[in-house]
Amino acid sequence: SQELEQSPQSLIVQEGKNLTINCTSSKTLYGLYWYKQKYGEGLIFLMMLQKGGEEKSHEKITAKLDEKKQQSSLHITASQPSHAGIYLCGADYNNNNDMRFGAGTRLTVKP
Amino acid sequence: EPEVTQTPSHQVTQMGQEVILRCVPISNHLYFYWYRQILGQKVEFLVSFYNNEISEKSEIFDDQFSVERPDGSNFTLKIRSTKLEDSAMYFCASTRAIRNNEQFFGPGTRLTVL
Repeated sequence: SQELEQSPQSLIVQEGKNLTINCTSSKTLYGLYWYKQKYGEGLIFLMMLQKGGEEKSHEKITAKLDEKKQQSSLHITASQPSHAGIYLCGADYNNNNDMRFGAGTRLTVKP
Repeated sequence: EPEVTQTPSHQVTQMGQEVILRCVPISNHLYFYWYRQILGQKVEFLVSFYNNEISEKSEIFDDQFSVERPDGSNFTLKIRSTKLEDSAMYFCASTRAIRNNEQFFGPGTRLTVL
């Protein structure tokens, strides 16, 4: 079974709408990372969460890590076409920065 | 802004040939990684490297793979005898510290094995 499950697999929203992407781990993690990938390109770092209950925001994107450090959500407020891409969560399970990634959520924002 | 660079951007090779994928990590970074992404699949960890040796490797990183830091700037991934299933995007990443640090990813090398 997968260590990291992301949901949904894909998401289509109208510009201006809010959305949430979830990442669930089968075991406790040391760090949770969110990255964005445009098709065929490299990964762009968004946020890193380490402490249970932690929440971070950058521009219109907010990410939270639950108290048990097994689930994270990424919330985008008032989505724009520039938010389109594949959102990946990555987990550090061994406290050594070796990341394991989820399968990704493909976000499409319709103008 | 410093960035990780990778060359070539696209490599086409015949099955059984050796390939070397090159990466230049960010200059003050100490920890280096290779990941791969088969088309349509998730990004998979291959290997981490620190202080001129492998720190961790996944089950994917078998004897066909090797990594090297031949000089102060390059970090390479060698595949000795490529197979069709090695076709993928290969990403290099680097970070300053072992823990709690974002990894900076390169743009990737697309490897196509024919």
